Amino acid sequence: GENVEQHPSTLSVQEGDSAVIKCTYSDSASNYFPWYKQELGKRPQLIIDIRSNVGEKKDQRIAVTLNKTAKHFSLHITETQPEDSAVYFCAASKGAQKLVFGQGTRLTINP
Amino acid sequence: DVKVTQSSRYLVKRTGEKVFLECVQDMDHENMFWYRQDPGLGLRLIYFSYDVKMKEKGDIPEGYSVSREKKERFSLILESASTNQTSMYLCASSLMSYGYTFGSGTRLTVV
Repeated sequence: GENVEQHPSTLSVQEGDSAVIKCTYSDSASNYFPWYKQELGKRPQLIIDIRSNVGEKKDQRIAVTLNKTAKHFSLHITETQPEDSAVYFCAASKGAQKLVFGQGTRLTINP
Repeated sequence: DVKVTQSSRYLVKRTGEKVFLECVQDMDHENMFWYRQDPGLGLRLIYFSYDVKMKEKGDIPEGYSVSREKKERFSLILESASTNQTSMYLCASSLMSYGYTFGSGTRLTVV
C-alpha cells in the first residue's frame, strides 16, 4: 500500500523567513496530495491541495509543488508569521480512496 | 459548514473496559474515517467506511472494531481497552476522499 514519508519532523524559522516541508510517496498511482495544518489543541484543517495534473499551486503565502517523476511534493510558506506555528501533515491518495498521512512537521516561528 | 462532532473531548478508562467513541457528521457524507494520532507517527488509519453498514480495516485495526448503522454516525469500539491504546482519536468525514473534515478529537487515557 501507499507509504508517505515527511521531513523534517521539526522546523524552526525566524519570522519573515521561508519554511519548506517535504514529503515523498511510494505509490505512483496516487493523484491527490493535500496538506493539513493542526494548531495546538485543534483539529487538522485543510490548507492547500494539489492534484497530479498540476505541478504547482499557490494560495497567498503558501504554495505546494509536485514532482511526479520523483514522487515527492513540498509545502512552501513564505514571509512566515507567528500564526503559522503549528503541526503540518502531508497526505496522499488515489482518487476517492482513503488518505495516507505523513508523520507530521512541527513548525515553530521565532519572533 | 460541515460539522463533525465527537462525543467526548477527554476520556479516562480502565484497562479491560469496553470503550465507545462516537462520531456524528451533519452533511450527508458517504465516507467516514477513524484515525489515531501519536507524536512522531502522524495520523494512522484504524477503520473506514464508504457507506452505511460497510466497514474496511485500515492500517492498525487490531484491538478495534467499528459500527455504522446510520449514515451520519460512525462509532469506534475498543473491545478491551489496553494502555497502548492511550492516544488522540480523530474522526473525519468526506463526500469524496478529497477534503476531509475532522472532528475535534477524543483524547483517551487508559489506566
